[in-house]
Amino acid sequence: GESVGLHLPTLSVQEGDNSIINCAYSNSASDYFIWYKQESGKGPQFIIDIRSNMDKRQGQRVTVLLNKTVKHLSLQIAATQPGDSAVYFCAENINNAGKSTFGDGTTLTVKP
Amino acid sequence: NAGVTQTPKFQVLKTGQSMTLQCAQDMNHEYMSWYRQDPGMGLRLIHYSVGAGITDQGEVPNGYNVSRSTTEDFPLRLLSAAPSQTSVYFCASRIRSGNTIYFGEGSWLTVV
Repeated sequence: GESVGLHLPTLSVQEGDNSIINCAYSNSASDYFIWYKQESGKGPQFIIDIRSNMDKRQGQRVTVLLNKTVKHLSLQIAATQPGDSAVYFCAENINNAGKSTFGDGTTLTVKP
Repeated sequence: NAGVTQTPKFQVLKTGQSMTLQCAQDMNHEYMSWYRQDPGMGLRLIHYSVGAGITDQGEVPNGYNVSRSTTEDFPLRLLSAAPSQTSVYFCASRIRSGNTIYFGEGSWLTVV
């Protein structure tokens, strides 16, 4: 069956350091992989996505890497700030399937 | 543009009671979904819909019903509430051709 999972449930970093959040997936048929950020008491919000035929995609302070050989996805946050403290989820979409599968989440804590 | 609107935000039910969580989106999105999120866990799909008149089960559908009579609305019905249904419920929507899922703010449900 399909599953999406994150390697570590929690991650603590110093303000200004880079953060790397990892995710493993099992469904090779996924078309897109997406990262979401969920702040306390709110719904998840889209951060960045990557198509399955790409290896890397960059946004503002964030980079997503996709390694299809080992079915691994990572989110890199540069110069982590206190406002980055949140739970981060990876998710996968199969186009036209109408549903997305989410991993369990990694809680990122940024220490001042 | 209100996005995805869920009501109520908080609700306490007694075991055996029924209720409906309302969800509406004003973005003309074809796809809508309901997820539940338990403490420290990811999002699990309850039911989803790819368009008006079409619904399907997710990974945890038991005890819940949905209907999609219009594009805008996707209510979730708890038939006979159980303590195991204590959770945070998120409604979400996206366009068919897109990856970005838009979430509501969540509904906190406690069954006693």
